[in-house]
Amino acid sequence: DGGITQSPKYLFRKEGQNVTLSCEQNLNHDAMYWYRQDPGQGLRLIYYSQIVNDFQKGDIAEGYSVSREKKESFPLTVTSAQKNPTAFYLCASKQASGENTGELFFGEGSRLTVL
Amino acid sequence: KNQVEQSPQSLIILEGKNCTLQCNYTVSPFSNLRWYKQDTGRGPVSLTIMTFSENTKSNGRYTATLDADTKQSSLHITASQLSDSASYICVVSARGNNRLAFGKGNQVVVIP
Repeated sequence: DGGITQSPKYLFRKEGQNVTLSCEQNLNHDAMYWYRQDPGQGLRLIYYSQIVNDFQKGDIAEGYSVSREKKESFPLTVTSAQKNPTAFYLCASKQASGENTGELFFGEGSRLTVL
Repeated sequence: KNQVEQSPQSLIILEGKNCTLQCNYTVSPFSNLRWYKQDTGRGPVSLTIMTFSENTKSNGRYTATLDADTKQSSLHITASQLSDSASYICVVSARGNNRLAFGKGNQVVVIP
């Protein structure tokens, strides 16, 4: 079945450690996104990539890094520089369209807890 | 200021009853508006898309409306079921801009 797979589902990390969240899609979508979701807040864009080997910062990129070496994969690293990393992280992909009407397909999310 | 405001923030309804969720936006120039359903601990799933020329669109028991003049959309849930318990997120796209504006969601709880 086509879709987006995020792993791990749950992750615990000690302060000062980097952690990488995996996101893989087999929908052949060009664009991929990482969002952060906190209770009572809307989704906030961390990074996005519209093509392989290229990515742009979103609204809250500080303390995060990404790579896009393959079309199918867009891993997110939460670094020790991120001051408040405990959150629910959502990866999404979308087929580019002229009027930005494409549907975002989301993964099941990764819940990161910093101890 | 958030470009997408949703109300009510949360509501509890009895199984079998109807409810209406509201989304007001300031995004301009408007391209389209989507309603997503997000079950607890899961990723959001698209329910419907509304473009500028569309006033109403249904997807099963879900009916979305759009008034592009007043920049308002609503999502009506008919004959609610326990599985409708979720957060409903309004997402607005601007023309000529790849960015999306997200509302904070309407949290719906359906009780038997």
